[in-house]
Amino acid sequence: GQNIDQPTEMTATEGAIVQINCTYQTSGFNGLFWYQQHAGEAPTFLSYNVLDGLEEKGRFSSFLSRSKGYSYLLLKELQMKDSASYLCAVLDSNYQLIWGAGTKLIIKP
Amino acid sequence: DTAVSQTPKYLVTQMGNDKSIKCEQNLGHDTMYWYKQDSKKFLKIMFSYNNKELIINETVPNRFSPKSPDKAHLNLHINSLELGDSAVYFCASSQSTSPEVGQPQHFGDGTRLSIL
Repeated sequence: GQNIDQPTEMTATEGAIVQINCTYQTSGFNGLFWYQQHAGEAPTFLSYNVLDGLEEKGRFSSFLSRSKGYSYLLLKELQMKDSASYLCAVLDSNYQLIWGAGTKLIIKP
Repeated sequence: DTAVSQTPKYLVTQMGNDKSIKCEQNLGHDTMYWYKQDSKKFLKIMFSYNNKELIINETVPNRFSPKSPDKAHLNLHINSLELGDSAVYFCASSQSTSPEVGQPQHFGDGTRLSIL
């Protein structure tokens, strides 16, 4: 079966750095997405990785290792507005998006 | 200008009723989707349409019927609503179904369906 694992919840301090991990086992791989979802709102696109390595976009970076079936989202200089759920999703061989349950990130002052 | 808009935002109704949720996108995308997000926050794909044609139909009860009058609209009709249908339903769109360049999906604000 297809499976995406992320921690259920993480807590971090404003101004700090946090890394949210995602491991996946899917039938094929055509890329991995990270989305942010604030409570009661729609998911919004953060990043896409299809090749191994680190993609940096401002305070957010995303890393992929295809051989390990592993990705992480790195958030730097955390702000209170970063409190949200972060969803990892993998595009499988049929170009279907397989979603993780998301990691709820709580930022404390 | 809302990119993906769905109505209504809230829907409270009784078991056994029939209801519809509408979705429209003004992004010129080819593909539209319906997702169900339950209380555990899993996003589960229900349907996917590409240029008005169904391309994914996951195992959902046939009480759920999508309708796409044109590629900018994908509506969801639900017959004989059950308690387990209570969830948030998201409409989304993307440029194509084979996002080899990582075309992201753009989501509507969701419809919160509560069955009494």
